[in-house]
Amino acid sequence: GAVVSQHPSRVICKSGTSVKIECRSLDFQATTMFWYRQFPKKSLMLMATSNEGSKATYEQGVEKDKFLINHASLTLSTLTVTSAHPEDSSFYICSASRGSDEQYFGPGTRLTVT
Amino acid sequence: SQKIEQNSEALNIQEGKTATLTCNYTNYSPAYLQWYRQDPGRGPVFLLLIRENEKEKRKERLKVTFDTTLKQSLFHITASQPADSATYLCALVPGSGNTGKLIFGQGTTLQVKP
Repeated sequence: GAVVSQHPSRVICKSGTSVKIECRSLDFQATTMFWYRQFPKKSLMLMATSNEGSKATYEQGVEKDKFLINHASLTLSTLTVTSAHPEDSSFYICSASRGSDEQYFGPGTRLTVT
Repeated sequence: SQKIEQNSEALNIQEGKTATLTCNYTNYSPAYLQWYRQDPGRGPVFLLLIRENEKEKRKERLKVTFDTTLKQSLFHITASQPADSATYLCALVPGSGNTGKLIFGQGTTLQVKP
């Protein structure tokens, strides 16, 4: 149990376009979902925390107008990278929590902006 | 300033030996600390959680210790196997107010040679 999926696994987009990444908890209801980004050979950096039905809480330095997060249901959160630029190219990973201390991570989405 | 550091970027050991990875933190009072495994291009996979009032936790060939005086956690893999080769991340939840927010170390890449 506790499987989290992400879609797409890889996406290439042109500079200036927007990209949506989905994060789903497949077999449990996630009270909280988290979005991270990871640069090559670097650690995961928390971008934002989202609770179902409420606005996401963004970490310092993360532009909320650029990284739109929607947590419409207890099993789905989406991250939209708006007006993407090459510096937004990264590995984006979501995780989901069902209220306990454990977080279950998705497999990640590799975004490349050309 | 607050820091969480894993003091080796890479660790190479021979199959059958015990791998010991270190995680040190500064200016945090974590309620608990977690260890994850991450394979290339994949999301982290939860391994173990240890709370501030626990000294040691075991799971099969894995052992974690937590010393709040030294502000350090050690992660051991006994009888290591080539399949244990991966990047291992420590993460903590800062403070006792549990929002589930995880702060990650930069990871240690373990290579187990046959």
